[in-house]
Amino acid sequence: SAVISQKPSRDICQRGTSLTIQCQVDSQVTMMFWYRQQPGQSLTLIATANQGSEATYESGFVIDKFPISRPNLTFSTLTVSNMSPEDSSIYLCSVEGTGRSGANVLTFGAGSRLTVL
Amino acid sequence: EDKVVQSPLSLVVHEGDTVTLNCSYEVTNFRSLLWYKQEKKAPTFLFMLTSSGIEKKSGRLSSILDKKELSSILNITATQTGDSAIYLCAVDANFGNEKLTFGTGTRLTIIP
Repeated sequence: SAVISQKPSRDICQRGTSLTIQCQVDSQVTMMFWYRQQPGQSLTLIATANQGSEATYESGFVIDKFPISRPNLTFSTLTVSNMSPEDSSIYLCSVEGTGRSGANVLTFGAGSRLTVL
Repeated sequence: EDKVVQSPLSLVVHEGDTVTLNCSYEVTNFRSLLWYKQEKKAPTFLFMLTSSGIEKKSGRLSSILDKKELSSILNITATQTGDSAIYLCAVDANFGNEKLTFGTGTRLTIIP
């Protein structure tokens, strides 16, 4: 399965600032996924990042708040803009891999834990 | 709207006990059900289930899918403190749209 490097692993940010999270994969992948996990909650998909086109956002998430870049097949960034304490979460990058039994086995990066003061 | 429900929300047992975690789902176009273990931040893949009644096993962990009951269980025998984690169930249910719907997870704590 793919190896994903995600950074920063954690950060503490001031309200109103923006932070960009980077995700690097050791192989070329068509789609990269960005998830958010708020405290005590499960994983929620923010958007799907495709190389060469705009990201596809899930209901409740907008490009102005979570701009995504996907400059090539191994790299993506997610920016959390104009942060508020409600944005304090773990943000996870993931890619789809082919497990032993078939497709759509997501591999996750180590996650970025953001705390907004 | 696709829905995945896990129970219990949390579980505390002693080392050596056997635990059973439950996952039920209401989705259209079911393709597969996946179990993940989340210890710190990144979930790690455990099992993918596509067919009813076929048990997947890895060491002390095993899982089985019941498509008639729209559910799955994850069993852990002879639990160890290293099994303490959040166990997430996810369902792949959108043809042509690689999106997983996750349950809220079961937080398992193993007491030495």
